[in-house]
Amino acid sequence: AQSVTQLGSHVSVSEGALVLLRCNYSSSVPPYLFWYVQYPNQGLQLLLKYTTGATLVKGINGFEAEFKKSETSFHLTKPSAHMSDAAEYFCAVRGTGYALNFGKGTSLLVTP
Amino acid sequence: DTGVSQDPRHKITKRGQNVTFRCDPISEHNRLYWYRQTLGQGPEFLTYFQNEAQLEKSRLLSDRFSAERPKGSFSTLEIQRTEQGDSAMYLCASSPQQGTYGYTFGSGTRLTVV
Repeated sequence: AQSVTQLGSHVSVSEGALVLLRCNYSSSVPPYLFWYVQYPNQGLQLLLKYTTGATLVKGINGFEAEFKKSETSFHLTKPSAHMSDAAEYFCAVRGTGYALNFGKGTSLLVTP
Repeated sequence: DTGVSQDPRHKITKRGQNVTFRCDPISEHNRLYWYRQTLGQGPEFLTYFQNEAQLEKSRLLSDRFSAERPKGSFSTLEIQRTEQGDSAMYLCASSPQQGTYGYTFGSGTRLTVV
């Protein structure tokens, strides 16, 4: 079965510092991988996705992620955190059919 | 394009009552998904429609849950004889047939069973 593990349920960074949110996946098929962001009481917004091709994927709001097959990882980064980046972040992998299997999420706190 | 709309945003119901949620997908999207999200967890897949056909159902979708998508437009998710464990955020998403999993999520319906 396809699954993801997000390392760290809470991450705190200072404004302007590097953001690094970790995601490792397990998949018996070539993985499609995703990062979503969720603000309080809202739905999820797609930040970026990897399906095939270039392993460094750029997304919205300055985020990017790199697919590393040898490490089964898809970590999310942003060079400089903004206060508005504070939210819940979810990594996901294609499951069977068209379902996505989500991780438990990482809550990002940005301090002034 | 007004995005994916879900109604109601919040629902409080007594245990044992039936509830129904509605989802209006983006009009040109023929794929529609339902997910459930409990506190502190990621969304869990419930079911998937392509047009009016329900093509996938999770084991999470017990006999008390039923989803429909008549005419391939809006969808409803009904929970019969609600239990406290049904309290969660119910999320709807849609995507076009072409392209790879470009889900657009709605804002969700938060259900509280008391």
